[in-house]
Amino acid sequence: KNEVEQSPQNLTAQEGEFITINCSYSVGISALHWLQQHPGGGIVSLFMLSSGKKKHGRLIATINIQEKHSSLHITASHPRDSAVYICAVRVTGAQKLVFGQGTRLTINP
Amino acid sequence: NAGVMQNPRHLVRRRGQEARLRCSPMKGHSHVYWYRQLPEEGLKFMVYLQKENIIDESGMPKERFSAEFPKEGPSILRIQQVVRGDSAAYFCASSLWDRKETQYFGPGTRLLVL
Repeated sequence: KNEVEQSPQNLTAQEGEFITINCSYSVGISALHWLQQHPGGGIVSLFMLSSGKKKHGRLIATINIQEKHSSLHITASHPRDSAVYICAVRVTGAQKLVFGQGTRLTINP
Repeated sequence: NAGVMQNPRHLVRRRGQEARLRCSPMKGHSHVYWYRQLPEEGLKFMVYLQKENIIDESGMPKERFSAEFPKEGPSILRIQQVVRGDSAAYFCASSLWDRKETQYFGPGTRLLVL
């Protein structure tokens, strides 16, 4: 079993829908990252969380440390949100990131 | 402030050749991380370096792979005697400090071994 599991693996939705991507992890962490990888391959860091909730524009990320779970929400989704969203955790006591397999999101107009 | 820069963006090598991938961190960043993304797979940690020091190389294959981050100049990921299985996207990230700092990713180098 992977240390970081994301669901769903693939998600297709219509423009305007509310999107939720989930991430569960099985190790102790010092931080959790949400990353976005565009079709061209570049990776953008969206959020880094160690507790609570963060919001940036239409994106919201939450984390529940006790349940070892994080969610990424996208409100009013748009075709330009189509990308692979990757959850990554920084394991306690280490600097390296451990990555989930990614969620491929497609937003249709 | 330029972001993390990687070059080349695409690299084609024949089996047995050497591949050198370069990463210039963001200005002021002294921590560099290398990750590999095999086709249709997720990202995997390879190595974490600070200037002139390898801090964690637990993700590096034992043979043919090496990394350095000299006092001056970019970080280099070197793959000797490449094989087809080395074909992947190699991403570099940098951070200002360790612990609580965000890692900023470069655009990646896509290595194709023929």
